[in-house]
Amino acid sequence: DAGVTQSPTHLIKTRGQQVTLRCSPKSGHDTVSWYQQALGQGPQFIFQYYEEEERQRGNFPDRFSGHQFPNYSSELNVNALLLGDSALYLCASSLGANRVAGYTFGSGTRLTVV
Amino acid sequence: AQKVTQAQTEISVVEKEDVTLDCVYETRDTTYYLFWYKQPPSGELVFLIRRNSFDEQNEISGRYSWNFQKSTSSFNFTITASQVVDSAVYFCALSEAARDDKIIFGKGTRLHILP
Repeated sequence: DAGVTQSPTHLIKTRGQQVTLRCSPKSGHDTVSWYQQALGQGPQFIFQYYEEEERQRGNFPDRFSGHQFPNYSSELNVNALLLGDSALYLCASSLGANRVAGYTFGSGTRLTVV
Repeated sequence: AQKVTQAQTEISVVEKEDVTLDCVYETRDTTYYLFWYKQPPSGELVFLIRRNSFDEQNEISGRYSWNFQKSTSSFNFTITASQVVDSAVYFCALSEAARDDKIIFGKGTRLHILP
């Protein structure tokens, strides 16, 4: 049973560009949350998707947007990249009402903005 | 406001020693969850434990144990007889589940187990 799968694993982008990160949730999970982890910091909540809608959002600018597809997979889009967007982006999936208890994290996408 | 403080940035101990990772949290809610996660170099966050605010019973799982004290808002994690494979970054985290599903993480403690 595959866990949470994220792609790509590493990415290098230039300031001002746009990037799309992808996440496939664990089999049976229907909720996807995205976190940003800067170097030496703990992960910070970006947003959560459930039933193809953004259910919650953290303190991130509108440059960060997302999408959830009917098969529950999700994308994180970041526009107008800044150097400060360089981080490990983690996807977590969970099931229904037991979201908090049942988070499963992926290994992340390491984004470097140059 | 929600906040998790892990005062120990980095700890090094010799293999087989016991080590305790400290965690202090702040919340206005009476219903909340506390977590510990392990992050090895691969980057994946590995779930270790979840505790709800109504269950102050300490827990032991093999070499791992957790001490939850609401009176001091602490949720400390002890590894007994540490092993090199325990080397990782450990995060304490909080979720005010009555409000929302996001998890607030501390900054983590990097643990080095020296052979």
